[in-house]
Parts: sequence; structure tokens; C-alpha cells
Amino acid sequence: KQEVTQIPAALSVPEGENLVLNCSFTDSAIYNLQWFRQDPGKGLTSLLLIQSSQREQTSGRLNASLDKSSGRSTLYIAASQPGDSATYLCAVKMRDYKLSFGAGTTVTVRA
Amino acid sequence: DAGVIQSPRHEVTEMGQEVTLRCKPISGHDYLFWYRQTMMRGLELLIYFNNNVPIDDSGMPEDRFSAKMPNASFSTLKIQPSEPRDSAVYFCASSWGQGEKQYFGPGTRLTVT
Repeated sequence: KQEVTQIPAALSVPEGENLVLNCSFTDSAIYNLQWFRQDPGKGLTSLLLIQSSQREQTSGRLNASLDKSSGRSTLYIAASQPGDSATYLCAVKMRDYKLSFGAGTTVTVRA
Repeated sequence: DAGVIQSPRHEVTEMGQEVTLRCKPISGHDYLFWYRQTMMRGLELLIYFNNNVPIDDSGMPEDRFSAKMPNASFSTLKIQPSEPRDSAVYFCASSWGQGEKQYFGPGTRLTVT
């Protein structure tokens, strides 16, 4: 069974600092990996999707890397802003096409 | 596009009552997923459909839970009878193809007293 771990569980940084969020998974035979953002009381918003054959994906200030062999992905958010405050979830899709989610990292960006 | 639509947004019911949650996926998407989110267990996949056909319901916790998708634009998740431990946020998501991004609805917050 795929286990997805996100460390740290919570992170607080001053505005302008770069954010580094970590995700690890136990089974490297993944189909793809997706990073989501969840605001309090809201649904999930997909940020980036990395296929198993890719090493990274970028969108604006966001960059996600994938190292399948070591079972790790990292989400980088450059020049953080208070609006980046949210919970970030990592989800791994296996060959059976099911998504397994991490517990998330709750980010607070202080103005 | 309006995105994935779920109703109701909030539901409070008494133990033993039947609860029906509704979902309208994004038009053209052929996969629909039901998830449950709790503090203790995080996000869990309950069931998913492809072209209105249930593919995997191994995440459905008990026989009290059932899901249907009578057509491409509508799905229901029913709990009968409901119990306090069913209290959670239930999300519906849809995607075009298995390998594509999943788009989530706003969720239904269910409280069973």
C-alpha cells in the first residue's frame, strides 16, 4: 500500500522567503504525482502535475521536482506572499489510477 | 465552465437518517471520484466511475454507503443509515482521462448528531 508523507506538517515564513515543501512516497511505481492547494473550508485546487517520466514542472512562481527512484517530490514556491497561505497536499497516482494523499503541509506567510 | 458542483454544501442530520450527496462533474469529463476528508484519516478515495460505470468501490467503508451515476452529468453518494462517525467533508472530483488532473468540487460538510 502506498504511503505518502509530507514534512513538515506546518511551516511559517516571512513574506518574500522561498518555500520548500517535501513529499515522500514508499512505492516508486507511480503513474504521476500531483500537488494541490486547499484553502480553509474549500475544495482542492490542482497546482502542478508531474508525469512519472518527467523530472519537474513549472508554473509561474511554482516549481515541482520528482525523483522516483528515491520516492521524493519537492514543491518550491518563490518569493512567498501572504496569499500563498494554505494547506498544500501531495497526491500520488499509482498504476491502478487511484490517488493516495499525504496529510498536507499548512503554510503561513507572515506579512 | 462552472467547475464541479456539489450540493448541499452543508448537511446536518440525526443518526439513523438517510443522507444523499450530489455531484455534477465538469462537462466532458469521463471520470468521477468521491472522496472523504477527516482530520484523523485525511483524504480517502471512496469510489470512482468511468463513463458512468463504477470501476473501483474498494474504499467504500460499509454497506451503508452506496453511489450511483445514472448519467454523465450527475452522481449521488448515499449513506443509509447515517452514523456520527460518518461526519466528514465529502468531495467529488472529475477528470478527462485517467492520467489527467482531477478537478475538485467545494465539498459537502456532513455532520451527523
